[in-house]
Amino acid sequence: GAGVSQSPRYKVAKRGQDVALRCDPISGHVSLFWYQQALGQGPEFLTYFQNEAQLDKSGLPSDRFFAERPEGSVSTLKIQRTQQEDSAVYLCASSLGRGGQPQHFGDGTRLSIL
Amino acid sequence: AQTVTQSQPEMSVQEAETVTLSCTYDTSESDYYLFWYKQPPSRQMILVIRQEAYKQQNATENRFSVNFQKAAKSFSLKISDSQLGDAAMYFCGMDSNYQLIWGAGTKLIIKP
Repeated sequence: GAGVSQSPRYKVAKRGQDVALRCDPISGHVSLFWYQQALGQGPEFLTYFQNEAQLDKSGLPSDRFFAERPEGSVSTLKIQRTQQEDSAVYLCASSLGRGGQPQHFGDGTRLSIL
Repeated sequence: AQTVTQSQPEMSVQEAETVTLSCTYDTSESDYYLFWYKQPPSRQMILVIRQEAYKQQNATENRFSVNFQKAAKSFSLKISDSQLGDAAMYFCGMDSNYQLIWGAGTKLIIKP
């Protein structure tokens, strides 16, 4: 479809493993966002891209978290040496640009660290 | 610091009745946008309604309307003629410079 696509939908990993989460935004959307959502809570901002430039990564919880969007389209969120506290739903959103444009969300990836 | 507060963890309403979800926020910005998103168990966040702070007129989208009180920094969502499909978590959000600040959410239960 024409919406934001995230994969995988579910990911189970053992503590210490590296994981990679993919986001395919709506075609033509300049802005891309990653959020982390713990159970029963609102999303927490992780990072923001405008095209291929990562303009804000202030929400990344540690240097184990890394995000990229090399061609200004698909983005990957990588978590190295996963810990149990990394277990959450990771949401990706895209929008046309800045200035209050609505963000369109994917279905999220539920990450469980054993 | 910018904050968004939803003081109702859970609300319930009888089908076909009207319910109002509360949201207050704090910001020093003069230009910002406010949103209500709905998140059903499927997890996808769905935009319900959007309000531009410089517009005094309250936004309306079919059965959904807002009561935007800028001086009081209040942005409540009214759902009229509630339907079973409205059951979800509702999140209030504020966007002043691309970053969405979210409230903790209100779980809406629809009683048949």
